[in-house]
Amino acid sequence: GENVEQHPSTLSVQEGDSAVIKCTYSDSASNYFPWYKQELGKRPQLIIDIRSNVGEKKDQRIAVTLNKTAKHFSLHITETQPEDSAVYFCAASSDTGRRALTFGSGTRLQVQP
Amino acid sequence: NAGVTQTPKFQVLKTGQSMTLQCAQDMNHNSMYWYRQDPGMGLRLIYYSASEGTTDKGEVPNGYNVSRLNKREFSLRLESAAPSQTSVYFCASSFGTRGNTGELFFGEGSRLTVL
Repeated sequence: GENVEQHPSTLSVQEGDSAVIKCTYSDSASNYFPWYKQELGKRPQLIIDIRSNVGEKKDQRIAVTLNKTAKHFSLHITETQPEDSAVYFCAASSDTGRRALTFGSGTRLQVQP
Repeated sequence: NAGVTQTPKFQVLKTGQSMTLQCAQDMNHNSMYWYRQDPGMGLRLIYYSASEGTTDKGEVPNGYNVSRLNKREFSLRLESAAPSQTSVYFCASSFGTRGNTGELFFGEGSRLTVL
């Protein structure tokens, strides 16, 4: 089955700096790559996703890039703010085999004011 | 429109006891999922149901059973609880069926402690 690895496990940045979180996946059939944000004590919520026919997608301060050849994708947050502090999860799935998301282990992002 | 509702929110069990976590969604979604969340291990898929009447094992199905009661409801049962099942359990749903899962909508989570 799919295996998703996520790095780093913790990340601390100063307010206004950029943050980058990286994930690799193992199943070349995977074609959907979402990112979820989980604030402390809350449920995970989708913040951005990308499909395999697209190399990059942006939504205001967040962007995701995908390299299918290398089987990795990344989340970029620019101009970080204290409210960006949370745990971020990457995930992957395909439309064959197990049709469910496999999640990475998460990255705890702390934005220092 | 409540989204995904799961009960109970908290439960303490003794080893060997059984319990059922209930989950319901009101978004007319086709797919439903049960994940467990443990520190440093992300969200691991226990079971999922791609459509009413079907269920499939995920990454960590041992010790659990599920029932897709109807399109709205998907329950998770622990027949004989073990301390290793202490975790936060999340139910989720999505519209996807044969295609990509699409966005998952999560419930608030159920914190289970097995003594």
